[in-house]
Amino acid sequence: DAGITQSPRHKVTETGTPVTLRCHQTENHRYMYWYRQDPGHGLRLIHYSYGVKDTDKGEVSDGYSVSRSKTEDFLLTLESATSSQTSVYFCAIAYNTNQPQHFGDGTRLSIL
Amino acid sequence: QKEVEQDPGPLSVPEGAIVSLNCTYSNSAFQYFMWYRQYSRKGPELLMYTYSSGNKEDGRFTAQVDKSSKYISLFIRDSQPSDSATYLCAMTRTSNTGNQFYFGTGTSLTVIP
Repeated sequence: DAGITQSPRHKVTETGTPVTLRCHQTENHRYMYWYRQDPGHGLRLIHYSYGVKDTDKGEVSDGYSVSRSKTEDFLLTLESATSSQTSVYFCAIAYNTNQPQHFGDGTRLSIL
Repeated sequence: QKEVEQDPGPLSVPEGAIVSLNCTYSNSAFQYFMWYRQYSRKGPELLMYTYSSGNKEDGRFTAQVDKSSKYISLFIRDSQPSDSATYLCAMTRTSNTGNQFYFGTGTSLTVIP
């Protein structure tokens, strides 16, 4: 999506290391979300933000933290990566909670 | 029981066929309904968005919502090889912190030339 950039697009790392994924938007949308997508589970919400410095947990938040210091950036951190966190991570944005979410192209994260 | 159920497929059809993709849901509080298309190694892309029962048409795509049966469908007419992708249904309902999104697990579609 032209208005959402995720970085890095691919990452391979080792168990126990910290990892930070970045989502950057140019749409000035208030709501930002982090999902993971795994076969058989579909998209599962990790954390979301409803404004600068305002965040809340989703369905699968254990082992993850987030920060949002600017409207345009939403960071997802794995404090100590585990192999179960190997997944594809998607960032999404929305103007408000009644509007559809729009997704970035994802980050493929492999934890060995 | 999951709040949103979607048959994962895979579904394989010849070019030109009419495709029907479906989701069922359990909570009558769902208000807004969406269909997303996801190509391999890409993010989900919004196809259709509706908030009422009935049909909504956009080109070759028709979204149908039946709230009484808790059932939504996406129809693709004159299917093309470029329609080969995974299709996700999504819906929202109000919670204490605003509307929550619920996604189906996706149906994989292949259109054979």
